[in-house]
Amino acid sequence: GESVGLHLPTLSVQEGDNSIINCAYSNSASDYFIWYKQESGKGPQFIIDIRSNMDKRQGQRVTVLLNKTVKHLSLQIAATQPGDSAVYFCAENIGGGGADGLTFGKGTHLIIQP
Amino acid sequence: DTEVTQTPKHLVMGMTNKKSLKCEQHMGHRAMYWYKQKAKKPPELMFVYSYEKLSINESVPSRFSPECPNSSLLNLHLHALQPEDSALYLCASSQDSRGDGYTFGSGTRLTVV
Repeated sequence: GESVGLHLPTLSVQEGDNSIINCAYSNSASDYFIWYKQESGKGPQFIIDIRSNMDKRQGQRVTVLLNKTVKHLSLQIAATQPGDSAVYFCAENIGGGGADGLTFGKGTHLIIQP
Repeated sequence: DTEVTQTPKHLVMGMTNKKSLKCEQHMGHRAMYWYKQKAKKPPELMFVYSYEKLSINESVPSRFSPECPNSSLLNLHLHALQPEDSALYLCASSQDSRGDGYTFGSGTRLTVV
């Protein structure tokens, strides 16, 4: 399953399938990007990050892709599990340093169907 | 310790009350942040402290007053809030200006009545 930019708030996938969550960021000067997972009633949980000098980074079951030409970021989750159900936010740092704060995308609600 | 701890977890306050939210981290992070999150919306930056000095105030009303007593603690003092200020208030910290280790707490769920 795949979400489209910031305009598809919900993505539903079958358990075991791969999912792709997309994000279009706003500022070409942003040089640090983070994906967060937020479960109901909890704070955002760090998933994976990437700096602008890279175009791909892999973690455990997750991959982040960065396309600076079109200012696009994606999160791929392999073999989705029920525990992956949450809202996923991309966040960008504008200004070249974390101490400037993060700007978040609108979020995608990922639903894992059994 | 790799956590950002926020207290209280829930707070209900009247519009004439004064209350404070607290945030603590012991990761040696030198940047700390307050964010506000309304239901079904992304977090929005309120304040940034870098090396215990306020570096960013995102045009937040003066009824919200941040304080950084030391490198491990961050407070948010609340006074004369409005019902529309009800939200989840999130604290975060990062190692330095590069943003490494950007970590959020679980938040304080604030209800203004």
